[in-house]
Amino acid sequence: SQQGEEDPQALSIQEGENATMNCSYKTSINNLQWYRQNSGRGLVHLILIRSNEREKHSGRLRVTLDTSKKSSSLLITASRAADTASYFCATDSGSARQLTFGSGTQLTVLP
Amino acid sequence: SAVISQKPSRDICQRGTSLTIQCQVDSQVTMMFWYRQQPGQSLTLIATANQGSEATYESGFVIDKFPISRPNLTFSTLTVSNMSPEDSSIYLCSVDDGLAGTSYNEQFFGPGTRLTVL
Repeated sequence: SQQGEEDPQALSIQEGENATMNCSYKTSINNLQWYRQNSGRGLVHLILIRSNEREKHSGRLRVTLDTSKKSSSLLITASRAADTASYFCATDSGSARQLTFGSGTQLTVLP
Repeated sequence: SAVISQKPSRDICQRGTSLTIQCQVDSQVTMMFWYRQQPGQSLTLIATANQGSEATYESGFVIDKFPISRPNLTFSTLTVSNMSPEDSSIYLCSVDDGLAGTSYNEQFFGPGTRLTVL
């Protein structure tokens, strides 16, 4: 079963708007990673945030982590139609480096 | 980051047959994993492919159904045996070149193999 949930399950916005996706998890983690998946293809790694970090930026992406609430958010600023994809969070909570995935958010950016 | 390829990219198979999926990495990596993504679902870990020893399977997955090989640090195969329509999924391999117990290495995924079982 998934480590946690993501919300919303689906999000539809206009190009240029910001998109925020949330991820909640259940157990202590070493790090949390965000991925993008286009149309059922392979996963593209977006960003990794360690458990001792609170915020991280990469281009138009901003990730926050609140370990006290066991939650993370991914913000995409100035969205583009090409950002349309499914976004997944994945947590690494053991020594074996296995990832446990959230349920995913389907983002649609309308031109 | 490591470049990962998978073969085949997609296949349509008859029930009762088996399919072997290959995962090739362009550099030596410590850990390789196999995941399944059922239609419309998230990813679920099948097993950790251990170099030179038997794979470590997650609950709900068994070696007879999903035999895995890892002959070296750049290559692994996953076989889906005696397939049924319920095995229709995307199968993805991933790699992590960090050491067990470390917490700051990204995990990268191959392009996936889309399997349809009729």
